Formats: sequence, C-alpha cells, structure tokens
Amino acid sequence: NAGVTQTPKFQVLKTGQSMTLQCAQDMNHEYMSWYRQDPGMGLRLIHYSVGAGITDQGEVPNGYNVSRSTTEDFPLRLLSAAPSQTSVYFCASSPPGQGALDEQFFGPGTRLTVL
Amino acid sequence: DAKTTQPPSMDCAEGRAANLPCNHSTISGNEYVYWYRQIHSQGPQYIIHGLKNNETNEMASLIITEDRKSSTLILPHATLRDTAVYYCIVRPRLLSNFGNEKLTFGTGTRLTIIP
Repeated sequence: NAGVTQTPKFQVLKTGQSMTLQCAQDMNHEYMSWYRQDPGMGLRLIHYSVGAGITDQGEVPNGYNVSRSTTEDFPLRLLSAAPSQTSVYFCASSPPGQGALDEQFFGPGTRLTVL
Repeated sequence: DAKTTQPPSMDCAEGRAANLPCNHSTISGNEYVYWYRQIHSQGPQYIIHGLKNNETNEMASLIITEDRKSSTLILPHATLRDTAVYYCIVRPRLLSNFGNEKLTFGTGTRLTIIP
C-alpha cells in the first residue's frame, strides 16, 4: 500500500489564483480530513469527510472547498488564494469501525506559499 | 475536548528512557489520551492511546495516573530518530464515523535526543 499520498509537495501561487491540492489513499479508509499547520502552531482541521458524498467543515473552513466523489480521493480546493493561506497542508485518513480515529494516517504534506 | 498542557521542550540522552509528561486536569470520563509525534517536515504519526489503564506497544508505553488528570509517554530506549514534536491529545473515542471527529493538536513538546 502507498498509504496516504499528497500532490504537489510544493506550490507557489499568486494572490487570487485557484488550485487543487490532491489527496489519495489506497487503504479503503472511510474517514478523510484536511489540516493546515502554521509555524509554531499545531494542526487545525479544515474539512473532513466520513465517506463518499459526505463532507463537513472543521474549525477553519473559510476559503476552502472539498468534495468526496470516491472513497480514495479527497481534494482540497482554494478558490482564490490569499497570503493568509500560506501554510503546510496535511491530509489524513482512518479506517471505519469501532474506535474510529484511534489511528489517523497522515500524508507527507503540501507546502503552499501564496505571494 | 479537554485541554492539555505539555512542556515546550525536553532533552534526553540517546539510549535512555524519554519521559514526556502531559497534564489534562479537565478530562472527562469518556475521553481518551492519544499521543502523536511529528518528525521534522513530515506528517504526524500515531503512537499510542489509552483510557485509564497503562498501555504498551512496540513504540512506547503510556502511563495514566489513577485520577486521569495527567499521563506520561515513555520511549524506553530513545534513539536519534525519536527527535520530534510530541503531541498529547484528549478526545472521546467515538464508536461511529458520524460526528465532528477531529484531533485537536496543541503545540506539543519538542523532544531532542542528544548523542
């Protein structure tokens, strides 16, 4: 298994540009989520999904959209990038069943800079 | 979720046991203690979790006090590869995939293993 993969690893955008951060997992996990991590801070939840077709907002959803058309993929879209969205973005997934989220598997991260 | 308090940094000699403390004095009866770590520039990695009994796995041991207001993560024989930021997280262990499942990361303890 490749686990959780994220692309791209690095990205530089200009203010106002749009882009999609890709996240995929091959472990048949139902739960997937997106976090952002800013310097000196912990991770903050942006959006999450408990299964295909179901998404919900986390604590910092503004400026981001998500969709979940398949179990494997959970892309994060920035519609109009702002410098405040400069951050490292992590995608995570966890298996279903009792004790959901006992162990979340994180991807390697995407480092985004918005100029 | 209950808040946690961790020291910002600790050092430990290579080969010795690393003991990382965490205070969670407002923990409620249905909340578990989880530990994750984040090695520089990588996604967080799950270590261990527990409710009230001491837990051990191949990576670490978790000691929770009888009143559950604090816990200690023990890395029995620390190596240089254990240098990372360690996060103590307290949250309910949900039995379904539906709801606002998330991990609330604080700023953690930066553990440095000294050769």
